[in-house]
Amino acid sequence: ILNVEQSPQSLHVQEGDSTNFTCSFPSSNFYALHWYRWETAKSPEALFVMTLNGDEKKKGRISATLNTKEGYSYLYIKGSQPEDSATYLCAFSSGNTGKLIFGQGTTLQVKP
Amino acid sequence: SQTIHQWPATLVQPVGSPLSLECTVEGTSNPNLYWYRQAAGRGLQLLFYSVGIGQISSEVPQNLSASRPQDRQFILSSKKLLLSDSGFYLCAWSVINTEAFFGQGTRLTVV
Repeated sequence: ILNVEQSPQSLHVQEGDSTNFTCSFPSSNFYALHWYRWETAKSPEALFVMTLNGDEKKKGRISATLNTKEGYSYLYIKGSQPEDSATYLCAFSSGNTGKLIFGQGTTLQVKP
Repeated sequence: SQTIHQWPATLVQPVGSPLSLECTVEGTSNPNLYWYRQAAGRGLQLLFYSVGIGQISSEVPQNLSASRPQDRQFILSSKKLLLSDSGFYLCAWSVINTEAFFGQGTRLTVV
């Protein structure tokens, strides 16, 4: 069984705070690591797909890093805004089947 | 452009009744297709995934089954629903190593 663990489970921050979440995954047979943002009443939307050890990706105030050798990825949000409030999911893909295993998510609440 | 349709959006079914949720994809060929479930307060649990017509992998033992009768159609079924089948079901598609695209989800309540 492949386990993908995310921490913390939930996070409450003030507007303007920077924050980061962790995703840990099996380091063997790695293929890709995905990050998704899931807002209430909407479908999850992809933020990043990373495949190479040491990868760093950025989209606006959100960035992510990847360490495939030790099996973790960090998602950073700089200067959190209320509209960043959502559940952030990471997903791990192993082998070449494309099967995506999700973590339980980190729910972020940003207070104005 | 690619789109994914999932229906119905909400469903209330009595215990012991059958279930059929349908998902169709447009604008792509031979996608990987997935059924996920979010139980209350938890992340997305992979139920089934398919890499081609008639090819279904079941991830967890359960009361549900899936079928892929056509390349871009994925169906989640049950012969007799249990209370524990209640939850939020999401269909998704992807091509290997690219992002997954999700349907709008089905909120199933078994009463």
